[in-house]
Amino acid sequence: AQTVTQSQPEMSVQEAETVTLSCTYDTSESDYYLFWYKQPPSRQMILVIRQEAYKQQNATENRFSVNFQKAAKSFSLKISDSQLGDAAMYFCAYSRPQGAQKLVFGQGTRLTINP
Amino acid sequence: DAGVIQSPRHEVTEMGQEVTLRCKPISGHDYLFWYRQTMMRGLELLIYFNNNVPIDDSGMPEDRFSAKMPNASFSTLKIQPSEPRDSAVYFCASSPDVTTDQETQYFGPGTRLLVL
Repeated sequence: AQTVTQSQPEMSVQEAETVTLSCTYDTSESDYYLFWYKQPPSRQMILVIRQEAYKQQNATENRFSVNFQKAAKSFSLKISDSQLGDAAMYFCAYSRPQGAQKLVFGQGTRLTINP
Repeated sequence: DAGVIQSPRHEVTEMGQEVTLRCKPISGHDYLFWYRQTMMRGLELLIYFNNNVPIDDSGMPEDRFSAKMPNASFSTLKIQPSEPRDSAVYFCASSPDVTTDQETQYFGPGTRLLVL
């Protein structure tokens, strides 16, 4: 079974600085998808970024980018120019391809932004 | 688009009562997922549907839980009878059936359930 591990329960960063959240996963599949979701205090799950395993290029979305290391099964999220609104729980998630599949989530990392 | 809609947003009930959670997926989405979030177990899939048909219900904890999708725009998750350990946030998510975005799930705001 696939597993996702986020080893940092909590992280903090100064506003405008850069922070990196770690995620590792375990799978025997060669093709899959990886996601980062943000959960602010409202509890809404918001998609931040996604990565297809067959793509070597790291995904980017404005201030958010990933460092995808397939051989190491590592998928970290970098947030540049951190803003107060980035404060939230961040979940790394994995899904198999071939049609919509269930998401397997990590335990989450709580990110605090210090003004 | 209005996004995934869930109701109620909050539910407080007493042990033994029946609880029904409702979800309206994004129009045109063919997949619907029910997840549960607890402190102890994190986010876990309960069941998902494709074109209104249940595909994988292996995450449904026990017979007290049931889910239906009578049409493409509505699904329910029912707990009968409810127990305090069912207290959690229940999320509904939907996903389109198009090649480029099939694997992306869009979540509703969740229903926060408290069973006393």
